[in-house]
Amino acid sequence: KQEVTQIPAALSVPEGENLVLNCSFTDSAIYNLQWFRQDPGKGLTSLLLIQSSQREQTSGRLNASLDKSSGRSTLYIAASQPGDSATYLCAPRRGGSEKLVFGKGTKLTVNP
Amino acid sequence: KAGVTQTPRYLIKTRGQQVTLSCSPISGHRSVSWYQQTPGQGLQFLFEYFSETQRNKGNFPGRFSGRQFSNSRSEMNVSTLELGDSALYLCASSFISGKAAEAFFGQGTRLTVV
Repeated sequence: KQEVTQIPAALSVPEGENLVLNCSFTDSAIYNLQWFRQDPGKGLTSLLLIQSSQREQTSGRLNASLDKSSGRSTLYIAASQPGDSATYLCAPRRGGSEKLVFGKGTKLTVNP
Repeated sequence: KAGVTQTPRYLIKTRGQQVTLSCSPISGHRSVSWYQQTPGQGLQFLFEYFSETQRNKGNFPGRFSGRQFSNSRSEMNVSTLELGDSALYLCASSFISGKAAEAFFGQGTRLTVV
């Protein structure tokens, strides 16, 4: 059974800082991994999808890395802004299914 | 291009009643999945549909059921509601089931059981 852990659970940083969010998963037999952000009371917004064959995926100020063999993924956010404040969730997916397994997320607060 | 649409956005129901939630996926997406989000348990997978067939089911009681129509729209039903069913119910759609698919989520339906 896949279990996902995200560390830290909460993070507060001043605007402009670069930061790293961590995600670990117990079953390395994944097909891909997706990072999302969730604003309070809202749905999930997809940030990045990284395939199991990839090491990194980039979108703007965001960079996700994946080390499938060690069961780890990181999300790097460059030059953080107050608008980045949200809960960030990672979710690996096995092949043959659309089922995503989520961690509890990292709640990020970027202070102006 | 319209995103994933969930209706209604908010619902208040009484214990013992039943409820039906609706999800319209992104045009062209044939895979729809449902999740329950609570503060204590986080996001938990309910079920997944592809081409009107349930492909996977999470660890939820039989009171939770769903279906998918030929136009890929999906509904989920919860019968005999309990207080613990209060949650944000999220629907996700993806283009190709089981492949390199990116999941897109709706805004959710907030269900409150009183």
